[in-house]
Amino acid sequence: DAGVIQSPRHEVTEMGQEVTLRCKPISGHNSLFWYRQTMMRGLELLIYFNNNVPIDDSGMPEDRFSAKMPNASFSTLKIQPSEPRDSAVYFCASSSRAMNTEAFFGQGTRLTVV
Amino acid sequence: GNSVTQMEGPVTLSEEAFLTINCTYTATGYPSLFWYVQYPGEGLQLLLKATKADDKGSNKGFEATYRKETTSFHLEKGSVQVSDSAVYFCALSDPGASKIIFGSGTRLSIRP
Repeated sequence: DAGVIQSPRHEVTEMGQEVTLRCKPISGHNSLFWYRQTMMRGLELLIYFNNNVPIDDSGMPEDRFSAKMPNASFSTLKIQPSEPRDSAVYFCASSSRAMNTEAFFGQGTRLTVV
Repeated sequence: GNSVTQMEGPVTLSEEAFLTINCTYTATGYPSLFWYVQYPGEGLQLLLKATKADDKGSNKGFEATYRKETTSFHLEKGSVQVSDSAVYFCALSDPGASKIIFGSGTRLSIRP
């Protein structure tokens, strides 16, 4: 398996623009997580899905952030409108929902909002 | 709720020194415990794991033992190398919620 695949790897956008980050989880995994990493806040869990259903989105910072998982092999994280403080590395991870299994991370998307 | 606390960084050591990074946890039930490593510019990778009390996880010379009595999972390595320079995250699985909870990370730098 190719692992968790995220795209794009890097994104530079202007403030106010819409940004969409994409994630393909490992085949057969039924839990998917979106994290944000910054120097100031470290690694933050934004939202996670089980079997394509959002379970906990309490980490989503504002209404400008939204995430979808239309099927088991694809998820998006959208920011609209983007702001400079959204600049961070965004990670997607997936795991099997069997108890106590580890999560596998993608390479991340480095987002810069100017 | 469930949580993970790990030692503040950065930690700077000389090559071949002994490494300990402390990690303690708070959890209900019987979580699995993990150490992840993040090299510069990369995502997090699983380094080792332990799924029950007294289990020892090991990989690449690193070890950690699941201590239920002290609720700890300290990471150790007997002789570090420059290539071990990275950020290390302690984590636990939250069985009730099917999610992974991470500590704040510890940056490790090894001097030649």
